[in-house]
Amino acid sequence: GAVVSQHPSRVICKSGTSVKIECRSLDFQATTMFWYRQFPKQSLMLMATSNEGSKATYEQGVEKDKFLINHASLTLSTLTVTSAHPEDSSFYICSARARTVDGYTFGSGTRLTVV
Amino acid sequence: GEDVEQSLFLSVREGDSSVINCTYTDSSSTYLYWYKQEPGAGLQLLTYIFSNMDMKQDQRLTVLLNKKDKHLSLRIADTQTGDSAIYFCAGVGRDDKIIFGKGTRLHILP
Repeated sequence: GAVVSQHPSRVICKSGTSVKIECRSLDFQATTMFWYRQFPKQSLMLMATSNEGSKATYEQGVEKDKFLINHASLTLSTLTVTSAHPEDSSFYICSARARTVDGYTFGSGTRLTVV
Repeated sequence: GEDVEQSLFLSVREGDSSVINCTYTDSSSTYLYWYKQEPGAGLQLLTYIFSNMDMKQDQRLTVLLNKKDKHLSLRIADTQTGDSAIYFCAGVGRDDKIIFGKGTRLHILP
């Protein structure tokens, strides 16, 4: 089935630095990828929808200048958390839309800790 | 927009059946999904049901859909310790985005 590879799985960074998270669709082309954030013991909150070759669409309340999304190819989307602060510490998960009936495939997530 | 509600916790004895319930508001979703999330991991698609079906069975999993009441349930037969996880009910909103419930944490008692 469709596989989405997400890296890194864990990252610890200093406050003020930037972190890049990659999401790759391994055996299919993903024209649309979704980025979610999950706080402890909570559901997934959609942050943005990225479409290959165009600007991402951000959900209300998500700072586009802080969470930079690039979807330059049909198999790769990246999320960069810029000038990270401790409140950005969270679990980030990407999802890609595959052209199958069970169409949404999720990455394994990235645990970001900002110290 | 779409809203998906589910209870937050469920405790079940090992070997018993678990039933996780979900209600939703938007009936336009062609498919409804159940995802499983183990600690520190991403989401794993467990099963899905097409919106014109009432029931789907897949080994130990049974999904029931009541479209009139907008109610979806997941039954896990013979619950095992490996079933301990968070289970998310999800539908697809009119803008093609997945909408998740808050997740039900399934705890298995020995």
